[in-house]
Amino acid sequence: RKEVEQDPGPFNVPEGATVAFNCTYSNSASQSFFWYRQDCRKEPKLLMSVYSSGNEDGRFTAQLNRASQYISLLIRDSKLSDSATYLCAVTDTGTASKLTFGTGTRLQVTL
Amino acid sequence: EAQVTQNPRYLITVTGKKLTVTCSQNMNHEYMSWYRQDPGLGLRQIYYSMNVEVTDKGDVPEGYKVSRKEKRNFPLILESPSPNQTSLYFCASSSQGETQYFGPGTRLLVL
Repeated sequence: RKEVEQDPGPFNVPEGATVAFNCTYSNSASQSFFWYRQDCRKEPKLLMSVYSSGNEDGRFTAQLNRASQYISLLIRDSKLSDSATYLCAVTDTGTASKLTFGTGTRLQVTL
Repeated sequence: EAQVTQNPRYLITVTGKKLTVTCSQNMNHEYMSWYRQDPGLGLRQIYYSMNVEVTDKGDVPEGYKVSRKEKRNFPLILESPSPNQTSLYFCASSSQGETQYFGPGTRLLVL
């Protein structure tokens, strides 16, 4: 079983839709969780960290479920510019120095 | 401007010809890492460094070397490249407790 698993997609959604991605992790000792966004052939960029209490940044909401060992990302009111690959990453230390990434979920937002 | 730089951005080489990919950051970060990204496999960590003169293997270190003589630089060395090292390589850096910032990537083709 992979340490971090994501549905590769693609998720094709119309503009304005709400879409959610899940990411499961196998190491119960994982401490820190992140969502990154990666545009085609570009470097990953941090979208948001995921806190135990859940957190929201504009149209984006991230949640952590430790009991079931998954994190989620919800995007409301999708924009064309949200089209990208979304990578989840976890670390088993508190320093985020050794990230383990999922393979990513591709999102395509259409008119 | 805070950034992570990598050189070269694109490289075509032949099997067995030693090469070095440089990585430099101007944020005074302690932690630096190298990843490779391959279709279907996602981002996998090659080596990481917690500070000057401190390096450790990641998940796929075979065929690679690194050094950390200065805080800002973390070169990736392929002593004898092989075709299975054809990949997209990312360098990343972070400060303690913070998430990682990625360089723009180096696309390597080994013939």
